[in-house]
Amino acid sequence: GEDVEQSLFLSVREGDSSVINCTYTDSSSTYLYWYKQEPGAGLQLLTYIFSNMDMKQDQRLTVLLNKKDKHLSLRIADTQTGDSAIYFCAETPGGSGTYKYIFGTGTRLKVLA
Amino acid sequence: DAGVIQSPRHEVTEMGQEVTLRCKPISGHNSLFWYRQTMMRGLELLIYFNNNVPIDDSGMPEDRFSAKMPNASFSTLKIQPSEPRDSAVYFCASRPRSSVGETQYFGPGTRLLVL
Repeated sequence: GEDVEQSLFLSVREGDSSVINCTYTDSSSTYLYWYKQEPGAGLQLLTYIFSNMDMKQDQRLTVLLNKKDKHLSLRIADTQTGDSAIYFCAETPGGSGTYKYIFGTGTRLKVLA
Repeated sequence: DAGVIQSPRHEVTEMGQEVTLRCKPISGHNSLFWYRQTMMRGLELLIYFNNNVPIDDSGMPEDRFSAKMPNASFSTLKIQPSEPRDSAVYFCASRPRSSVGETQYFGPGTRLLVL
């Protein structure tokens, strides 16, 4: 069935790189997303990657997609305390035009000063 | 742009009471989503509207839940009667007709506690 899996917790020191991993199940997903949720707030879209891409870079964020292994990762360079939040991976099974987004359980990133 | 607006931000009620959550999508967006977030089940899609019409309500847990979208700028999610297991954060999200990456935009959520 449809499932997106993430590890629950990640702790890094300020200034280090963070890598958050995600595995998904639907190879027909057109887009894969990373969202950030800060305490008491909604989900904020960080970035997304089209399924025919291997990598996307956006300032401190690098997304890597391995379609063969259905593995998605988000790398945050020079992690800051403001990056502490829950990060959700999501996919769109069913391809383009879908309204269904399957979200992972979220990875809670804690940045230590 | 003000983003997606939800009200109330927090709601505490007693079991059996009616609860109404409100959402104002981003102007010009034609798709609207209601989600529920809990620790146990994560983020679940409750209902999806397109052009104010409910397209998929298969995620609505029970008949106690109902949602309406009377116009393009307003939607409600009603729980009647409410139960303690309905305690969760309820998010509304909207998406424009032509959305690069088919991205949706989330509101800040309504934190509901049913005692």
